[in-house]
Amino acid sequence: EVQLVESGGGLVQPGGSLRLSCAASGFSVTNSYISWVRQAPGQGLEWVSCIYSGDITYYTDSVKGRFTISRDTSNNALHLQMNSLRVEDTAIYYCAKRALTGYYDFSGQGTLVTVSS
Amino acid sequence: DIQLTQSPSFLSASVGDRVTITCRASQGIGSYLAWYQQKPWETPKLLIYAASTLQTGVPSRFSGSGSGTEFTLTISSLQPEDFATYYCQQLQSVPLTFGQGTRLEIK
Repeated sequence: EVQLVESGGGLVQPGGSLRLSCAASGFSVTNSYISWVRQAPGQGLEWVSCIYSGDITYYTDSVKGRFTISRDTSNNALHLQMNSLRVEDTAIYYCAKRALTGYYDFSGQGTLVTVSS
Repeated sequence: DIQLTQSPSFLSASVGDRVTITCRASQGIGSYLAWYQQKPWETPKLLIYAASTLQTGVPSRFSGSGSGTEFTLTISSLQPEDFATYYCQQLQSVPLTFGQGTRLEIK
């Protein structure tokens, strides 16, 4: 069974950094297409970043240059390094795997990032 | 970037009602559209992909249609467990944008 478990969230001051992890089971992260999606409190879903085969990466404009998505094949996990955090980055962060259908399935509970002084 | 606009943003309906939610794309996306359901404090659940294909395990009262720039999600007969927020997402090109959501509440 495909399972993703997010971790690494917490409270951080503006300008600080956090590294989120997405631990995978039931499949290999190598060459998998995985996205990060976030949801600010009381708001809708926002796509943040994805990594494709060949480690091609994409980001939404608001996080470009601050966030980095990467694979950790030794631990079968994915990471989202978040630097220069802003109050508006406060959200629950979910990772989702692209299934064979080509569409993304969420299986984790997300991890909460709070950016506040 | 492709913008998705859902309508309505809020919908009040009764158990047994037939409801339709629309998602309009700012440019053509073929059939590269998914619908998700999210209940409070829960993770989004994929309902429909490729505009009209029902995800395994999703009840048949849910259906999707459309292509190009206009898409619909229909629930044929609302059940109590269907009251939630629904989002569309396009996968034609990055950024993989979502609609703003449609909150479906019990009348």
